[in-house]
Amino acid sequence: GEDVEQSLFLSVREGDSSVINCTYTDSSSTYLYWYKQEPGAGLQLLTYIFSNMDMKQDQRLTVLLNKKDKHLSLRIADTQTGDSAIYFCAEAFSGNTPLVFGKGTRLSVIA
Amino acid sequence: GAGVSQTPSNKVTEKGKYVELRCDPISGHTALYWYRQSLGQGPEFLIYFQGTGAADDSGLPNDRFFAVRPEGSVSTLKIQRTERGDSAVYLCASSPRGGGDTEAFFGQGTRLTVV
Repeated sequence: GEDVEQSLFLSVREGDSSVINCTYTDSSSTYLYWYKQEPGAGLQLLTYIFSNMDMKQDQRLTVLLNKKDKHLSLRIADTQTGDSAIYFCAEAFSGNTPLVFGKGTRLSVIA
Repeated sequence: GAGVSQTPSNKVTEKGKYVELRCDPISGHTALYWYRQSLGQGPEFLIYFQGTGAADDSGLPNDRFFAVRPEGSVSTLKIQRTERGDSAVYLCASSPRGGGDTEAFFGQGTRLTVV
């Protein structure tokens, strides 16, 4: 995903908050997504945000979108060891267009 | 089935051979996507079906790659004359109708190794 960039690694202590950041280049992106991938498992959709929103909260997850800076973040509150995984940011332009993924951020949670 | 099923889960083949990878989407899902994930990378789009037809095949890397979905359900990704660079995890996803506001459900992938 050359159009979507993420830092590759993040390490946090159990109970702390995690913030995973993503930048994208195409301002016409309509939907922005966060997927989680655990070892040996498929991709799981965590949440998505429509481009006319600034924030979306879903239980421990908070997504912030800064459309001016083309910056998306995922905050995980009270991070647990089960949150250890690779998190992918993805964008889609509209309709049935395919997802464009970043390279993923590997989150390690230290007990 | 309960989710998207991909078979085989692992495939080892020799360079130059032909392989077929199968995807069983969730029943009733009209949209089906194929992605390829190389080591350390995010998934890269290959092809998208809406029903039986390929709505977008712009991600297929070359003419060695081909995919079909003849009855609008099961899809097969076919790779001819495999090369070592084709080694990757091939992911399939389906969604009820496609569209950015509908969730795409991913299978666990087929790990293809070309030796």
